[in-house]
Amino acid sequence: KQEVTQIPAALSVPEGENLVLNCSFTDSAIYNLQWFRQDPGKGLTSLLLIQSSQREQTSGRLNASLDKSSGRSTLYIAASQPGDSATYLCAMDNYGQNFVFGPGTRLSVLP
Amino acid sequence: GAVVSQHPSRVICKSGTSVKIECRSLDFQATTMFWYRQFPKQSLMLMATSNEGSKATYEQGVEKDKFLINHASLTLSTLTVTSAHPEDSSFYICSAPRDRGKPGNTIYFGEGSWLTVV
Repeated sequence: KQEVTQIPAALSVPEGENLVLNCSFTDSAIYNLQWFRQDPGKGLTSLLLIQSSQREQTSGRLNASLDKSSGRSTLYIAASQPGDSATYLCAMDNYGQNFVFGPGTRLSVLP
Repeated sequence: GAVVSQHPSRVICKSGTSVKIECRSLDFQATTMFWYRQFPKQSLMLMATSNEGSKATYEQGVEKDKFLINHASLTLSTLTVTSAHPEDSSFYICSAPRDRGKPGNTIYFGEGSWLTVV
């Protein structure tokens, strides 16, 4: 059974800092890995999707990497802004079926 | 625009009543849809797999008679919370794979539904 953990559980940084969010998973036989953002009281926003054959994806200030052999993914946020404050979830795509979500990292970027 | 639409986005109901949440795939057919639940400050947990034309598959610990799932067409799955209680208050979200099991498959999420039982 796939288990997903995320470190840290919460993070507070001053505006402008670069930061890294970590995601670990136990079963490397994944289809895709996806990073989501969830704002309080809102749904999910897909940030980056990394297919199992890929090592990283970039979108603007975000960069996500995937290392299946070590069971890890990282989300790098450059030059953080207060608008980046949210909960970030990583999730494993179970062969195109359901997702297994991590518990999330709550990020606060202070102005 | 949204590829999977979920309705309602927010609902408040009285304890003991039932509430229905709809999940629609807008421009593709989804033989399978997934329902998740998220309690406050916790992660999203899979509740059940909705299968078009057959019974839903429930995860361990999820009450089938309380959370009724109907997948009557290739574009619509409904989740009905029956005899709702305050502890059912949660965030419910559906997802649908566009090309299930195929390389490059994309899974779309609905907007989610916030249920408050008072």
